[in-house]
Amino acid sequence: NAGVMQNPRHLVRRRGQEARLRCSPMKGHSHVYWYRQLPEEGLKFMVYLQKENIIDESGMPKERFSAEFPKEGPSILRIQQVVRGDSAAYFCASSPEGAGTEAFFGQGTRLTVV
Amino acid sequence: SQQGEEDPQALSIQEGENATMNCSYKTSINNLQWYRQNSGRGLVHLILIRSNEREKHSGRLRVTLDTSKKSSSLLITASRAADTASYFCATGLKGSARQLTFGSGTQLTVLP
Repeated sequence: NAGVMQNPRHLVRRRGQEARLRCSPMKGHSHVYWYRQLPEEGLKFMVYLQKENIIDESGMPKERFSAEFPKEGPSILRIQQVVRGDSAAYFCASSPEGAGTEAFFGQGTRLTVV
Repeated sequence: SQQGEEDPQALSIQEGENATMNCSYKTSINNLQWYRQNSGRGLVHLILIRSNEREKHSGRLRVTLDTSKKSSSLLITASRAADTASYFCATGLKGSARQLTFGSGTQLTVLP
């Protein structure tokens, strides 16, 4: 059972371009979470999705950021018109049904905006 | 200060010694989890303790939870150089969806 798979591992974008980050949850997991980590800081929650539904996006910036988790395929975190401040590590986690279960994290995508 | 604050921010010990890290939080929780992150890597889940549990063990790890003080501790016994990493506590909040709230972490360095 492969773990949470994120790609790409590293992404470099120029200011103004779009960044697309992909996350395939663990097999059998229907809950996906995206977190952002700035250097020397902990992870900050961005968005929580179930298949085809956004459950909680309270941590997501209102503009330029969007997330989806379609019925088929990976979850996508999309950042439009990237700025230098978007440079960070973006982690995806997944968990199965059942309250209080641990979340399993991917290796992250390190986005650098130049 | 934020939910899930770890203390100390950095800890340096000799191999074989025990390492203790603390985490404090502010609101009611469903569970508290500890994660390890090696430099530049993803997070590895270490242990989950539910709000009705007081202590949990896993190998060389021992976690305690005191809900009256809103605090938890992670003890790593007989530390090894390979334990060098950042350690984060993360809380699953009551009344919230399933996302976790992370602290800023403790950087543990185990010297050989």
